[in-house]
Amino acid sequence: GDSVTQMEGPVTLSEEAFLTINCTYTATGYPSLFWYVQYPGEGLQLLLKATKADDKGSNKGFEATYRKETTSFHLEKGSVQVSDSAVYFCALSRYNFNKFYFGSGTKLNVKP
Amino acid sequence: GAGVSQSPRYKVAKRGQDVALRCDPISGHVSLFWYQQALGQGPEFLTYFQNEAQLDKSGLPSDRFFAERPEGSVSTLKIQRTQQEDSAVYLCASSLAGLAVKETQYFGPGTRLLVL
Repeated sequence: GDSVTQMEGPVTLSEEAFLTINCTYTATGYPSLFWYVQYPGEGLQLLLKATKADDKGSNKGFEATYRKETTSFHLEKGSVQVSDSAVYFCALSRYNFNKFYFGSGTKLNVKP
Repeated sequence: GAGVSQSPRYKVAKRGQDVALRCDPISGHVSLFWYQQALGQGPEFLTYFQNEAQLDKSGLPSDRFFAERPEGSVSTLKIQRTQQEDSAVYLCASSLAGLAVKETQYFGPGTRLLVL
C-alpha cells in the first residue's frame, strides 16, 4: 500500500545552518507529494508540493524535488531561522484518490 | 478570514462513553476530511466528504466511528463506546473543491481526545 517514511527527529540546528529532512515514499502509480508544517500551537499548513517527477516545489526558502528514480522528496533549506522551528510532515496523495498518507513527522529545533 | 474551527479543543471521556467532535469548515468549501493523529505520529485518514456525500470511509477504524455532514457544511465525528486506544488528536481539513492533489487542504487546530 501507499506509505511515506521520513527521518526521525528531533533535528537540532544552529541558526543559518543547512537543513535536509529526508522523505521516501511507496505508492502505486504517480502520486503527488507534499510537505506540511505544524508550528507550535497551530494547525497543519501546506508548505510546498510537487505533482510530477522532477518538479521542484518551493516556498519560504524551502525546496523539495520529486525524484521518481529514488522515490524521494527531501526537504531542504539553505539557511534556517529560529522561526522555522516546527514539526514537518511529508505526505503523498494519488490523483483521483482524496486521501493523504502522512509520514510520522520530523521535529526541527533551531537554536539562535 | 475564518479558518477551519473544531470543538471542543480538548475532551476527556471515560471508557465506554460516547463523544461527538465538531468541525466547521471554511465557508464554501466542498471537500471535508477527518484524520486521526496519535501521539508522535502523522495524521491518518479517516473519512472524506464531498458536500453531504461521504465518498470514502475506508479509514474509520471500527463501526464505533461514525461521521456525518448532513447539510454539506458542518461535520460531526462520533465515537461510540470509547476505548483507550481512541485517545488521539482528531483533525479536520477542508478544501475548496475537487481533487485533493489540486486543492490546498486547510487544517483545523484539532480536538485532543483522552479516554480514561
